[in-house]
Amino acid sequence: KQEVTQIPAALSVPEGENLVLNCSFTDSAIYNLQWFRQDPGKGLTSLLLIQSSQREQTSGRLNASLDKSSGRSTLYIAASQPGDSATYLCAAPDSGGYNKLIFGAGTRLAVHP
Amino acid sequence: EAQVTQNPRYLITVTGKKLTVTCSQNMNHEYMSWYRQDPGLGLRQIYYSMNVEVTDKGDVPEGYKVSRKEKRNFPLILESPSPNQTSLYFCASSFRTGDRSTQYFGPGTRLTVL
Repeated sequence: KQEVTQIPAALSVPEGENLVLNCSFTDSAIYNLQWFRQDPGKGLTSLLLIQSSQREQTSGRLNASLDKSSGRSTLYIAASQPGDSATYLCAAPDSGGYNKLIFGAGTRLAVHP
Repeated sequence: EAQVTQNPRYLITVTGKKLTVTCSQNMNHEYMSWYRQDPGLGLRQIYYSMNVEVTDKGDVPEGYKVSRKEKRNFPLILESPSPNQTSLYFCASSFRTGDRSTQYFGPGTRLTVL
């Protein structure tokens, strides 16, 4: 069964810093991995979907990488802003399941001015 | 606009009073599912549906029912809610073929059972 772990659990940084959020998964036979953002008490916003055939995916200041062989994905946030403050969740498909997602516990990010 | 909608967004109810949380998507997705999110436990899947009239249990199905009579709708039914079902609920949808498919989530329904 797939397990997803995210490190660190929380991060507090000054505005302008470049950040790396880490995600690891146990079953590397995945066909994609998805990163989400969740604001407090709110829904999940999909940030990036990386397919297994890709190594990276970029959207604006966000860049996500995927290394299936090592069971790792990273989310890189460039030039962080206070508006980036949120919880970032990594999700990988469950073992043998096409669409069921297994979520990490998230990284709670605070960017202060 | 492509979206997943849920209603109600907030609900306070009492033990044993049947309730339904609706979910609708406008993207013609085959796959729909329900998750609950609890502090310390993260997001866990309750039920899912691969297509109309095809549903199956997720990891925490006890106390819930679902139906999929139309492709766009996937309601979650709590026939006799209990306080341990107090949670934040999310509906999600995607195309059935998972490899290229982003999953879209609804805005969430915060349920409190007294």
